[in-house]
Amino acid sequence: DIQLTQSPSFLSASVGDRVTITCRASQGISSYLAWYQQISGKAPKLLIYAASNLQSGVPSRFSGSGSGTEFTLTISSLQPEDLATYYCQQLNNYPLTFGGGTKVEIK
Amino acid sequence: EVQVVDSGGGLVQPGGSLRLSCVASGFTVISKFMNWFRQAPGRGLEWVSVSYPDGTTYYGDSVRGRFSVSRDSSKNTLFLQMTNLRVEDTAVYHCAREMRLGTSREAVDIWGQGTVVVVSS
Repeated sequence: DIQLTQSPSFLSASVGDRVTITCRASQGISSYLAWYQQISGKAPKLLIYAASNLQSGVPSRFSGSGSGTEFTLTISSLQPEDLATYYCQQLNNYPLTFGGGTKVEIK
Repeated sequence: EVQVVDSGGGLVQPGGSLRLSCVASGFTVISKFMNWFRQAPGRGLEWVSVSYPDGTTYYGDSVRGRFSVSRDSSKNTLFLQMTNLRVEDTAVYHCAREMRLGTSREAVDIWGQGTVVVVSS
C-alpha cells in the first residue's frame, strides 16, 4: 500500500496568513493526488484534483502543486471559514489511501 | 442536483450484520466507479471498497471476506452489506463517487453525508 505522510499534523495561523501543508508519498504517484477539506462532522469536500487542478466552486486562494512523491496544498490568505482538517489522498492505485490529516486552527 | 445520500447505520452487536444504502441522484450508480470510505471516531479516512461500472469490486484488507457491495439499478442505489461486524468497524461510513478522466482516477468528487455504525455489546 502507498503511505502518505502529511505535515504538519496541526497548525495555528492568523487570518490573512499564507499556509502550506505538505504530503509525501512512499512511492511515486505521478499527479494522482487530491486534497480535501473536512469541517467537523461533515463529509470531506474536494478542493484540488490531479495535484494542481482547482475543483469548480473552490475559492482561488487554495492551490496545489507537486508530482511524484512530494505535494503541497497552499492557502494564500487564510480565512476564518478555513478552520478544518485537510487530507491528501493518492489515487494512483487501490487501496486509495489518505494522509493523516492537518488540523488548521485560526489564531 | 448531483448527490448521494447514505443511510442504514445503527447499533449492532459484535458478530452482527448491517446493510448500508447509498441513493444517488443526478447520475446513475451503475455507470460510475463508486466507493465506500469510513472514518472511525477521532481518526482519519479509510478506504473500504470500490464498485466498477462492469460490476467488479475490490475491498480493503480489513473488510475483505466480511463486506460486500451490490447495486440496484432500478433504485439507483449502492449497498454495502456488512457481516461478522467487529468493534473496530465502528465508524461513520461514506458512499462516494470517483471522478475519472478516461481511465485516470482523478479524485472523489461527490460524498454522502455519512451514516454512523456502532458495533458494541
